[in-house]
Order: sequence, then structure tokens, then C-alpha cells
Amino acid sequence: DTAVSQTPKYLVTQMGNDKSIKCEQNLGHDTMYWYKQDSKKFLKIMFSYNNKELIINETVPNRFSPKSPDKAHLNLHINSLELGDSAVYFCASSHRDGGEFFGPGTRLTVL
Amino acid sequence: GENVEQHPSTLSVQEGDSAVIKCTYSDSASNYFPWYKQELGKRPQLIIDIRSNVGEKKDQRIAVTLNKTAKHFSLHITETQPEDSAVYFCAPNYGGATNKLIFGTGTLLAVQP
Repeated sequence: DTAVSQTPKYLVTQMGNDKSIKCEQNLGHDTMYWYKQDSKKFLKIMFSYNNKELIINETVPNRFSPKSPDKAHLNLHINSLELGDSAVYFCASSHRDGGEFFGPGTRLTVL
Repeated sequence: GENVEQHPSTLSVQEGDSAVIKCTYSDSASNYFPWYKQELGKRPQLIIDIRSNVGEKKDQRIAVTLNKTAKHFSLHITETQPEDSAVYFCAPNYGGATNKLIFGTGTLLAVQP
């Protein structure tokens, strides 16, 4: 299936732990993104990569580090997790001049 | 920064009625205007988009109209059905750069059967 996929779908962890979320797209898109959706459903862009190069880096704590090994993958690593990091994290991809296609989301719960 | 507002924040209509959601933005350089639909527990999905050289675009029961002078664009859904119930987001791009979308606060549409 052509799609944007993310793993894991659910992530429950303790404060202070380090965790990673993986994202892959097989749509041949040039640009990939990470978004955070909080409990009030606000969707906020965190990062954007174009052909493995970081092009958008919003005011996100440096505990969050994206990594793009190739243009089909964009992973998100989070250090020292905090309660406020609990949210749904969406990966997305697009062509440079097109709409964005979202992955299924990863629901992160920090206890 | 870009300011994006959606109205109303919630909308309840009877099945078969029309629904209109308005999105107001502040960046005059915005040139790409998509609408996303997010069903409960699902991912946002692009349902229609328009670029600044066009005033209106239609796709079956949904349409988007753009007023670039007034800096707003609207989503129109006709003959609403219960499966249209979802949260709808507008997401104009920022600074004319298609790869940075600023999502509105969302509109919860409930279609009553």
C-alpha cells in the first residue's frame, strides 16, 4: 500500500525516559514533517525536512531531535520525557508544492 | 507570526443541510489554502485545496472559495451526511512557502441524522 506509516501506534512510558518514533513514506515525496496534536486538538508543526535537509525547526525543546537517514524516512527521538510531552505525534509528507499526507499518528503517554 | 482563525468552532446541522466553515488568515504572502478532515481517532486527511490564482474549486459535495483581498477562505459542504461529522481544519501556508502550513483551531461538525 502506498502510504505514510509510523511506529509505534501507542507509546506509554515513564518521565525521564528516552523514546523514538519512526516514520516512513513510500509516496516518493520530497518533504517530510513532524506535527504535535495536543489534547485540545491543536495541530502544530515541529519539524520539516526536504531531501534529508532540515528546513523548518519550530520552537521545540532540544530534547526533541529529528533524524532523516534518507528522504523516505524521518524519525523523532525524544530525550528526558516530560508529562507535557503527552500528545499524538503525526508524521506527514508532501511534494514541494502539494498537500500533506499524514501518518496514522503515535499516541504518546508520559506517566 | 501567522494568525489563523476558524469560525465557528462547533457546528451542528441536520442531515441534508449545508455547512459553511470560514478561515481567516493574516499572512498576505499565503498562496496555498487546503482543508483537512479529521475523524475521531484518525489522521487528518486533505479533502480539498485551492491556490491563490483561483477563486473557487468544487469536488462533488464540497467546495472551497477564496477571497484573497479579505484574507479568508471557506469550506462549503452541501447535502451533509452523518459521515461528514468530523473536525475540519484549514491550513494556509506561511510566507508563500508551501511546506509550512499553519493549522487553524478546528471546527467540530456534527451532522444529525
